[in-house]
Formats: sequence, structure tokens, C-alpha cells
Amino acid sequence: AQSVTQLDSQVPVFEEAPVELRCNYSSSVSVYLFWYVQYPNQGLQLLLKYLSGSTLVKGINGFEAEFNKSQTSFHLRKPSVHISDTAEYFCAVSYNAGNMLTFGGGTRLMVKP
Amino acid sequence: EAGVAQSPRYKIIEKRQSVAFWCNPISGHATLYWYQQILGQGPKLLIQFQNNGVVDDSQLPKDRFSAERLKGVDSTLKIQPAKLEDSAVYLCASSSLGANTGELFFGEGSRLTVL
Repeated sequence: AQSVTQLDSQVPVFEEAPVELRCNYSSSVSVYLFWYVQYPNQGLQLLLKYLSGSTLVKGINGFEAEFNKSQTSFHLRKPSVHISDTAEYFCAVSYNAGNMLTFGGGTRLMVKP
Repeated sequence: EAGVAQSPRYKIIEKRQSVAFWCNPISGHATLYWYQQILGQGPKLLIQFQNNGVVDDSQLPKDRFSAERLKGVDSTLKIQPAKLEDSAVYLCASSSLGANTGELFFGEGSRLTVL
């Protein structure tokens, strides 16, 4: 069965500091990888995705992620966070062309002034 | 472009009562999903439709949950009878057939509290 592990349930960080949110997945086949963000009382929206090609993927709001096949990881990074980045971040994986996603448990990013 | 619409946004019921949630996907999106998001957890897929057919409902508790998408557009998710553990946000999402990009577009969700 496919699974996604987000190792940190909460990540507190000061404004303008860098941040990395970790994501590992279980798979021995090709995967599509995603990061979604959920602001309070809102639905999820796509931050970025890896389908193929370059392993470094850039998304919205200055976020980027790197696909590492040997470590089965897809960690999300931002060099300098803002208060407005405070939200829940979900890593997700799809193993087929049917777009069905399996989500990790989420990481709450808390940016402090 | 209008997004995924869901209603109601909030619902409070007592256990053993029934509840229904409605979802209208983005126009033209053939695939529709219902996810359950329990507080502190990631979304879990309940059911996936492609047009009006079910693609995957393996994680839908069929003794109490049902879902339909009769005309291949909007969809209804019903819970009857509700249990305390059904308290969660029910997220509807849609995607376009053949896009193969994996991007799902989510509604704001329907928050259910079962007392």
C-alpha cells in the first residue's frame, strides 16, 4: 500500500528564517509528487508538483522542492518565510494516471514575528 | 472560473442522525473526489467518480456512507446513521479527465460535528 510520511507535525520558525518541511513516500515505481497548502478554514491549493524531468521544482510563493529518488523524499523548502506562510502543508503522492492522491498527515508551519 | 462549490459549510448533528453534503465541481471536470479530513490528519479518499461512474470506493464505509453523481456533474455524499468518529471536514475535489497532471482543485469543505 502506498504511504506518505511527514516527519514533523509542527514546525515553528521565525519570520525571514529558512524552512524545510520533510516528506518521504513508499514506492518502488514511478510516482507523481505534490505539495498542497491549506490556510485556515480554506480548501487545499497546489503549491508545486513533480511529474518528471528536473528534480528541483519551483512553486508559488517562493517555495521549492527537490525529488530524491534514492531517498524516496520530496522535501519542501523556502529560503525566507513570511508571517503569511503560516498554514498546514500536505505532501501527496500519486502512483497512476488517474490522479488519485494519497496524502501525508500534514505539517503545521507556524511563522513567528 | 468558478471553483469547487460545497454546502453546507458547517453542520452539527447528533449521533444516529443523517446528513448530506453537496458538491458542484469546476465546469468540465470529469473526475470528482470526496475526501474525509479528521482533525490533525491528512485527507483520506472516500470515493472517486469519473463522470457518473465510481472509480474507487474501497475506503468508503458502505454500511453508513453513500455517494452519488447521477448526471456526471454535481455529487452528494450522505451519512446515515452518523457516528461520533464521523466528525471531520468533508472535502470535495475535481480534476479534468486526461490532464494527467495530478492537480486536484478543492472546495472549502463541509465541517461536520457529531455530538
